[in-house]
Amino acid sequence: ETGVTQTPRHLVMGMTNKKSLKCEQHLGHNAMYWYKQSAKKPLELMFVYSLEERVENNSVPSRFSPECPNSSHLFLHLHTLQPEDSALYLCASSQDITSGANEQFFGPGTRLTVL
Amino acid sequence: GQNIDQPTEMTATEGAIVQINCTYQTSGFNGLFWYQQHAGEAPTFLSYNVLDGLEEKGRFSSFLSRSKGYSYLLLKELQMKDSASYLCAVMDSNYQLIWGAGTKLIIKP
Repeated sequence: ETGVTQTPRHLVMGMTNKKSLKCEQHLGHNAMYWYKQSAKKPLELMFVYSLEERVENNSVPSRFSPECPNSSHLFLHLHTLQPEDSALYLCASSQDITSGANEQFFGPGTRLTVL
Repeated sequence: GQNIDQPTEMTATEGAIVQINCTYQTSGFNGLFWYQQHAGEAPTFLSYNVLDGLEEKGRFSSFLSRSKGYSYLLLKELQMKDSASYLCAVMDSNYQLIWGAGTKLIIKP
């Protein structure tokens, strides 16, 4: 149990669908992250939230829309995705974003397949 | 640009020792992390180095040389459960983690 949960664990969607990924952390952390993990590629940072404010948006297409209603919850809203968006989407949290020894705790991920 | 390099795959024998190398070029340095990720699971934290030298934690040790932009993860007394991917990540001057693609470690009996 890592203290970070994600739902759903698996998702198959068509290119015209709208779906949302949910992440919840039970660690009292102030920062939350969305990453994309594709096979044999480095983790790609998508979004960073600190105290519910977005502090990083790494040139992510607008078909991905994050939402952070409070410091414990993070959503990733998906619409009109492309097949190349199929990947493992990982959520992570950390105590804050401005210290070096800032271990990130990861959820189990959502395996997304876009048909 | 920022870059983290580590071998794609390594194979080792149960009970042996294996060293996984990581070299990096980043904008600033605020520490280097090693994570373990079993297939289909979340990455889990193994170690953090910010000063040069060796950090030992049970069967796992991590070494850092900042002047060389180099780190390694040393795994001793390998067990079958150590079969996993090992991810190297460097925290840059903006406190963002830059990740390597991971090293898949295969342990054979």
